[in-house]
Amino acid sequence: GAVVSQHPSRVICKSGTSVKIECRSLDFQATTMFWYRQFPKQSLMLMATSNEGSKATYEQGVEKDKFLINHASLTLSTLTVTSAHPEDSSFYICSATGGRVYEQYFGPGTRLTVT
Amino acid sequence: KQEVTQIPAALSVPEGENLVLNCSFTDSAIYNLQWFRQDPGKGLTSLLLIQSSQREQTSGRLNASLDKSSGRSTLYIAASQPGDSATYLCAVSRNDYKLSFGAGTTVTVRA
Repeated sequence: GAVVSQHPSRVICKSGTSVKIECRSLDFQATTMFWYRQFPKQSLMLMATSNEGSKATYEQGVEKDKFLINHASLTLSTLTVTSAHPEDSSFYICSATGGRVYEQYFGPGTRLTVT
Repeated sequence: KQEVTQIPAALSVPEGENLVLNCSFTDSAIYNLQWFRQDPGKGLTSLLLIQSSQREQTSGRLNASLDKSSGRSTLYIAASQPGDSATYLCAVSRNDYKLSFGAGTTVTVRA
């Protein structure tokens, strides 16, 4: 149980284009989902927290107009990187919580490369 | 702001040796502490979760201790195996359940 999937697992896009990453909870309803970014050999940094049906809360320094988050249902959250640039290349990981909010279940991550 | 530090950054041991991984955090007002495993290019697998009121948790060959007052946790892995090779991440959460991660300790167990 408690499986979280992400799609795609890898994506390469050209500078200036937008990319959408999906995060799904497969066997539970996720009231809250989190989006993280991880640069090589660095820790995961929380980007934003999203609750189903409401606007995401972004961490300080994260541009909400650049990283659009939608949590339209209890099983799906999407992160759209708009007008991507090479410095946005990173590993993006989502996590989800259900009834026990202190337990987060992590997706397998999405490797984004912007050329 | 919570800062989480993991020492050492990398560790290489022969198979069978016990592993000791350290994690320290600056703000002792935590809700819980978790240890995760991350394989290269993959997501995170939760290993152990210690509530702030607990001192340790055990699962098989893994044992994690927590000293909240001094801001420290230690993960012990007994009788290491090559399959234990991975990066181990420590994370602490505040009451709002946001996790603050350390940079991890990359472990290599040599056969």
